[in-house]
Formats: sequence, structure tokens, C-alpha cells
Amino acid sequence: GENVEQHPSTLSVQEGDSAVIKCTYSDSASNYFPWYKQELGKRPQLIIDIRSNVGEKKDQRIAVTLNKTAKHFSLHITETQPEDSAVYFCAASGPLGAGYSSASKIIFGSGTRLSIRP
Amino acid sequence: EAQVTQNPRYLITVTGKKLTVTCSQNMNHEYMSWYRQDPGLGLRQIYYSMNVEVTDKGDVPEGYKVSRKEKRNFPLILESPSPNQTSLYFCASSFSSWDQPQHFGDGTRLSIL
Repeated sequence: GENVEQHPSTLSVQEGDSAVIKCTYSDSASNYFPWYKQELGKRPQLIIDIRSNVGEKKDQRIAVTLNKTAKHFSLHITETQPEDSAVYFCAASGPLGAGYSSASKIIFGSGTRLSIRP
Repeated sequence: EAQVTQNPRYLITVTGKKLTVTCSQNMNHEYMSWYRQDPGLGLRQIYYSMNVEVTDKGDVPEGYKVSRKEKRNFPLILESPSPNQTSLYFCASSFSSWDQPQHFGDGTRLSIL
């Protein structure tokens, strides 16, 4: 079945610098890749997503890139601010196919704890 | 306000005592799912439902049951809870399917003694 690996597990960057989190997936049938941010004690919330027919998507300081050939996608946060401190999860999902034992599963990465140093 | 509501938010109980965590959404979403969150393991999907009376297993379904009798409700049932089911549980919904953003509830922290 599908497997999503996320790196690094923890990341500390200086305020104002950029942060990059990477995920790899195993099933080529995956075609939807969302990123969620979870602040301490809160629920995960979608911050950006990308579909397999797009290579890059940007929303203000946040961008996501997708390399379908290499089966990896990355989250880029520029000009980091203290409020960016949180745990970030990537995910992959796709239709019923060779790699999915049943339709419509959503597989999450194990998360990255991002800390912004003042 | 559009939301996913879970109850209870916190529960401490004992091994073997059946419990139900309720989940309700007011967005007319078709797709609903349950996740458990454990340190270092991220979010793992337990069960999901594509629509009323349509449910299927996620990655970690053992020890759990669900039902989808109405579109808005998707309860998670632990028939005989065990300590390894101590976790933080999230219910989520999305408009149509797996390729839409998930809207999460606030979570339920379960402790099974």
C-alpha cells in the first residue's frame, strides 16, 4: 500500500529565514497532496494543497512543489515568523488502483515540528 | 458556523468498557473519516465513509467500528477498549472525497486504563 515518509522530524530556523519540509510517497497513483498545520493543542488545518497535474503552487509565503517522477513533494515557507511554529503534516491520497488496497485512503506523513527562533 | 463537532473532548475509562465518540458535521459533506494521532506516527486513518451506509477500513481499523446512518454523523465505537487505544482521535470531513481538503474536529483525548 501507499507509504509517505516525511523529513525532517524537527526543524529549527531563525526568524526571517526559509524552512523546507520534504515528503516522499510510494504509489504512483497518488494524485492529491495536501499540507496541514497543527498548532499546539489544536486541530490540523489545511494550509496548501497540490494536485498531480501541477508542478508548483504558491500562496503568499507558502509554496509547494511536486516532482511526480521522483515521487516527492516539498513545503517551502519563506520569511518565517513566530506564528509559523507548529507541527506540519504532508499527506497523499489517490483513487482505487494498483497501490491502494481500497479506495480513498488518505496517508499522512509522521509530521515535522517547526520551531522559529527569535 | 461550518464545523465538525466531536464529543467527548476528553475521556478516561477502563479496559473493556464500551464507548462511543460522536462526530457531527454541518457542511453537508459526503466524505468523513476518523484518525488517531500518536507521537512520532502522525495521523493514521482508522475508518472512512464515502457516503451514507458506505464505510471502509483505513490503515488501522482493528478494535474499532463505525456507522454512517445519516450524512452528518459518523460515530466511532470501541466495543472493548484496550490500553493501546489510548490516543488523540480526530474526526474529519470533506466535500466529496479523498481529493478534497479535510476539515478536522477539535479532537478527543482517550485514556484507557
